[in-house]
Amino acid sequence: NAGVTQTPKFRILKIGQSMTLQCTQDMNHNYMYWYRQDPGMGLKLIYYSVGAGITDKGEVPNGYNVSRSTTEDFPLRLELAAPSQTSVYFCASSGSNSPLHFGNGTRLTVT
Amino acid sequence: GDSVTQMEGPVTLSEEAFLTINCTYTATGYPSLFWYVQYPGEGLQLLLKATKADDKGSNKGFEATYRKETTSFHLEKGSVQVSDSAVYFCALMGGNTGKLIFGQGTTLQVKP
Repeated sequence: NAGVTQTPKFRILKIGQSMTLQCTQDMNHNYMYWYRQDPGMGLKLIYYSVGAGITDKGEVPNGYNVSRSTTEDFPLRLELAAPSQTSVYFCASSGSNSPLHFGNGTRLTVT
Repeated sequence: GDSVTQMEGPVTLSEEAFLTINCTYTATGYPSLFWYVQYPGEGLQLLLKATKADDKGSNKGFEATYRKETTSFHLEKGSVQVSDSAVYFCALMGGNTGKLIFGQGTTLQVKP
């Protein structure tokens, strides 16, 4: 009964470093999403995917990349970390016409 | 584009008080509307939803009615508890992509 699993829970990066935030879901959902949450700003969509092999940009894609080689996994890549990418990142998944299920988040600090 | 606007917080209430959190939206077509709740240190959980005009979503004593004429989806609860303290997000989903557009969130603090 795992749902959406994100790793790591916390990470500190130096400016210019790279990392991948992992997200996997076991509900066979076609749709997957990456959001970032900043204080007082709600959640902003970074990238989303409507199925394996298909990805598209959301509201704030700059500085990020994604891939969707399988239905289960939707990793988010930061190539050159910047302080502006300090945030809490949430992965989510959903089936057709169904609500989103969220992971517990990854708290990233870039210094 | 589509957008959601929520009342600013924090909202501070005493236990058993009546709660209203306002939410209005802008969208083309007929979006589905949602309220999500985020407890400290956790991800978002679906609280309730409504998929067409005049639908009322309800869960755990919370209610919201989809009002197309006023483009609103206000969240209400008759008697809040300390355990309701959380951040509440209004959201809409329109079109065929399944993308969820969120409001900025409203923090609710309930004091004993």
